[in-house]
Amino acid sequence: EADIYQTPRYLVIGTGKKITLECSQTMGHDKMYWYQQDPGMELHLIHYSYGVNSTEKGDLSSESTVSRIRTEHFPLTLESARPSHTSQYLCASSEYSVQGQDGYTFGSGTRLTVV
Amino acid sequence: GEDVEQSLFLSVREGDSSVINCTYTDSSSTYLYWYKQEPGAGLQLLTYIFSNMDMKQDQRLTVLLNKKDKHLSLRIADTQTGDSAIYFCAESMDTGRRALTFGSGTRLQVQP
Repeated sequence: EADIYQTPRYLVIGTGKKITLECSQTMGHDKMYWYQQDPGMELHLIHYSYGVNSTEKGDLSSESTVSRIRTEHFPLTLESARPSHTSQYLCASSEYSVQGQDGYTFGSGTRLTVV
Repeated sequence: GEDVEQSLFLSVREGDSSVINCTYTDSSSTYLYWYKQEPGAGLQLLTYIFSNMDMKQDQRLTVLLNKKDKHLSLRIADTQTGDSAIYFCAESMDTGRRALTFGSGTRLQVQP
């Protein structure tokens, strides 16, 4: 049973449209992440958050933006979608652990196609 | 900087053992992880190993860590068709603010 939810599961949208990909988790995790996954499988970190009102850009430059107004919610927005944004977007969360084991819980992903 | 590398593809017969390899460059990695991704799904944490361990076994899974060579492997015993998926290794450097760095993934194909 998933504790982290992404919607929509699939999205096909025209160039220039504004879109928001939703991500919510029910585990109370402080840390949340967005990864972009290439068709060739590699994951690239594009945004992360360590808590409410904390957001940082990841290793891969992205034209998307994120917000973290509530602990459980970490939406990603593209103001003007382009075909180059076509990809799989994966959301994940994790918690601080006294053992230091920082495993992530992933959502099922949103597959975005911009035509 | 850190870099995590994996071979892209592995094919085995059902019932055989699979060994998926990973190399990493950052010697300060604290934890190393193996994730599994089935088609159309997100990543699922399979197992992890702390950097001061050499081996960890969990049912059909065995993780071996060679810190000297910065080499991590995942052995799946008695591989089943349901094990067909993409396997990612990942590293983290500390418990603090750093996100995981993932390898490029190894696609495991299990032939009946």
